[in-house]
Amino acid sequence: EPEVTQTPSHQVTQMGQEVILRCVPISNHLYFYWYRQILGQKVEFLVSFYNNEISEKSEIFDDQFSVERPDGSNFTLKIRSTKLEDSAMYFCASSEGDSRETQYFGPGTRLLVL
Amino acid sequence: AQTVTQSQPEMSVQEAETVTLSCTYDTSESDYYLFWYKQPPSRQMILVIRQEAYKQQNATENRFSVNFQKAAKSFSLKISDSQLGDAAMYFCAYKPGGSEKLVFGKGTKLTVNP
Repeated sequence: EPEVTQTPSHQVTQMGQEVILRCVPISNHLYFYWYRQILGQKVEFLVSFYNNEISEKSEIFDDQFSVERPDGSNFTLKIRSTKLEDSAMYFCASSEGDSRETQYFGPGTRLLVL
Repeated sequence: AQTVTQSQPEMSVQEAETVTLSCTYDTSESDYYLFWYKQPPSRQMILVIRQEAYKQQNATENRFSVNFQKAAKSFSLKISDSQLGDAAMYFCAYKPGGSEKLVFGKGTKLTVNP
């Protein structure tokens, strides 16, 4: 069964450094998403992406964040200058179609900012 | 604001027994979708079941069923014949029609005792 994959599974970085989290959505899916889960807290929506542009974003998704689909398979989340509070599990998800469709999640990337 | 509340941080059940996980949500929308996701210790979130708000019939997937009470804004998950592999964190999630954003509850940690 097709799955969303994410790399790396764990990332440790120094505060102020840039990180790029990578995701490979399910191949026939058209909508892509990033969520994050700070330890002990709710899973929070960051951004959705369709047709090579952001379709919706939350107030968390500020200028420090960007997303890109650099080729036909990868979907990336870049954090330009990491802060301690960016430490979280970051989940990528994809869905086949529009908002009526179910989102399928990847295993997550655990980001630790020191 | 749309919120999802899971009032049971932890639940436990004996193997082969039935357990019900509670979820309530707050919305003024009439078109929306509800989901239960399971997150085992491996951390990949897996869809358990979904319910469209316009459907009166409760969704069922094998041993998993929901009790959707639209007027009460309640969406509980019933797991019948519980198995050890059901042990996980269970998240209730809400998505308004026309939005890409999933709103999650805090989760309920389910333990299955042999």
